[in-house]
Amino acid sequence: QVQLQESGPGLVKPSGTLSLTCAVSGGSISSSNWWSWVRQPPGKGLEWIGEIYHSGSTNYNPSLKSRVTISVDKSKNQFSLKLSSVTAADTAVYYCARDREDYDGYYYYYYMDVWGKGTTVTVSS
Amino acid sequence: EIVLTQSPGTLSLSPGERATLSCRASQSVSSSYLAWYQQKPGQAPRLLIYGASSRATGIPDRFSGSGSGTDFTLTISRLEPEDFAVYYCQQYGSSTGWTFGQGTKVEIK
Repeated sequence: QVQLQESGPGLVKPSGTLSLTCAVSGGSISSSNWWSWVRQPPGKGLEWIGEIYHSGSTNYNPSLKSRVTISVDKSKNQFSLKLSSVTAADTAVYYCARDREDYDGYYYYYYMDVWGKGTTVTVSS
Repeated sequence: EIVLTQSPGTLSLSPGERATLSCRASQSVSSSYLAWYQQKPGQAPRLLIYGASSRATGIPDRFSGSGSGTDFTLTISRLEPEDFAVYYCQQYGSSTGWTFGQGTKVEIK
């Protein structure tokens, strides 16, 4: 059973860089899955940040692309998020998730089936 | 960019009642790319439905999904106390990534 666990500083100063790591257990990050970061500001909805494949290929939300870097460390079975030039608007619960692509012979299906519990990051001086 | 609009924002119902949640896309979405999630306070989202109508592993059959094109529906046939939560629809776009609706809160009336 794959499990994901986010970790990182809970407080980041404005204009600084937010750095989080998602540890994958119970499975390999080199499996045929992409791995995503999703965030949720207090009292608001879910926002996809970006995703990475074990090869290092990435896709980012266009609205955040200029500030986001997602990387993978296969030796540690984990992937990481860096968000630069943060402001109070980046205060949120940050989740990592596994993207699934399934094929039943007719259609491809895409969904996020495993999520970490989330970690709260506050941007404040 | 495809925008997903969920309605209503809040649904006030009693246990045992039927809940019907709507997710409307700004342009046609492949049904196989449409999923629904449940989120309870302080918890991560949980996958309920993928491919617009396929229940995820362990999801009770009172949850069902339907729809195609731009209109999708999540139905909870008889609300149980543990079903009161926020529900999100999500779609995957090969060129735009993942998009979520803004959520529908199902609250106890």
